[in-house]
Amino acid sequence: DIQMTQSPSSLSASVGDRVTITCRASQSISSYLNWYQQKPGKAPKLLIYAASSLQSGVPSRFSGSGSGTDFTLTISSLQPEDFATYYCQQSYSTPPTFGPGTKVDIK
Amino acid sequence: QVQLVESGGGLVKPGGSLRLSCAASGFTFSDYYMSWIRQAPGKGLEWVSYISSSGSTIYYADSVKGRFTISRDNAKNSLYLQMNSLRAEDTAVYYCARENTATDDAFDIWGQGTMVTVSS
Repeated sequence: DIQMTQSPSSLSASVGDRVTITCRASQSISSYLNWYQQKPGKAPKLLIYAASSLQSGVPSRFSGSGSGTDFTLTISSLQPEDFATYYCQQSYSTPPTFGPGTKVDIK
Repeated sequence: QVQLVESGGGLVKPGGSLRLSCAASGFTFSDYYMSWIRQAPGKGLEWVSYISSSGSTIYYADSVKGRFTISRDNAKNSLYLQMNSLRAEDTAVYYCARENTATDDAFDIWGQGTMVTVSS
């Protein structure tokens, strides 16, 4: 199975900050990397697929980059509704696997 | 609108069984692979199982293999998860999710989740 890691595990930031979350795969997954946002008590929501493609309806302040084993999710200007936990997930091979999550909270 | 609604969760004793259902609407259910994904309280996301659009291809996580059975009824737009020999570590919110080839097999639609608690 492909192992996914994320850093940091949590971060504190202010509204308007630029936030970057990193995800690393244990082997190359090309660009089969997806990012999800989850708020407490809610289901995850797809933000970015194929490493850098923005899902329909997702604000343009979210962006993704990377290929191979190293990937990044960037929020260009953090908004109040962006405080949540973010998960990466590889869809390169079965079983699909998720990173452990990065919790973004208010500084 | 495009929607997935899970049901069937609840409290069950260790060794017991439970059947989860997921009702799909707003899209052509029979065109999509579907998965069950779970989240233990305070923990991350764990993929459990998926089934191909026709039902001919099925995979399970090692943690549930031999105990859980995924199935679907395309005529009823429904996905199921039969869970047997339940253990305390199966306690989680269970989500059904649509896998979309148009998004490189990302899970683009999720249900609201149904809670399964395994406890004596």
